[in-house]
Amino acid sequence: DGGITQSPKYLFRKEGQNVTLSCEQNLNHDAMYWYRQDPGQGLRLIYYSQIVNDFQKGDIAEGYSVSREKKESFPLTVTSAQKNPTAFYLCASSMRTNTQYFGPGTRLTVL
Amino acid sequence: KNQVEQSPQSLIILEGKNCTLQCNYTVSPFSNLRWYKQDTGRGPVSLTIMTFSENTKSNGRYTATLDADTKQSSLHITASQLSDSASYICVVSPGDSSYKLIFGSGTRLLVRP
Repeated sequence: DGGITQSPKYLFRKEGQNVTLSCEQNLNHDAMYWYRQDPGQGLRLIYYSQIVNDFQKGDIAEGYSVSREKKESFPLTVTSAQKNPTAFYLCASSMRTNTQYFGPGTRLTVL
Repeated sequence: KNQVEQSPQSLIILEGKNCTLQCNYTVSPFSNLRWYKQDTGRGPVSLTIMTFSENTKSNGRYTATLDADTKQSSLHITASQLSDSASYICVVSPGDSSYKLIFGSGTRLLVRP
């Protein structure tokens, strides 16, 4: 069953902690993306990767880091430097610049 | 500045009724426009995609229109169902082979019985 998966669905973080959100796809897509969604706002791009071992900053990369060691995986780390990390995080993938397919999302809450 | 604006912000309709959601964009150059449906707490799902030369595209009870001259798009939902309750997001792709999409903030639709 092809698709894009994210885990965990819900994540709680204490102040000062780093947390890593998982994103995996078996669609054989070259490009992968991380977005942040806040209530009443459009999706904002955090990082994206066009190919393995390469990634670029999006519009709101500060306080986040990523890696792309495998084509199928694009984990996002929310560091303690991100001052307001509570949000809904969406991962997506696409074949080059074609339609992006989204995962089910991870809701991160800072305690 | 590339922007996508959607209206209304929210909408409540009765089951069985039709509705139309609006999207205005200032993205230039333009490649294509997509409408996504996002159920609460889920990821967006693509409904339609239209390029510059297309002015209408249907997907079941969903019909999207595009006027590239006025830079406007609409999404018409016919005979609404309770399962249509969701946010509908208009997304524009710049025509520079960019991986960066421009997202609207969405219209939140509630269909009541």
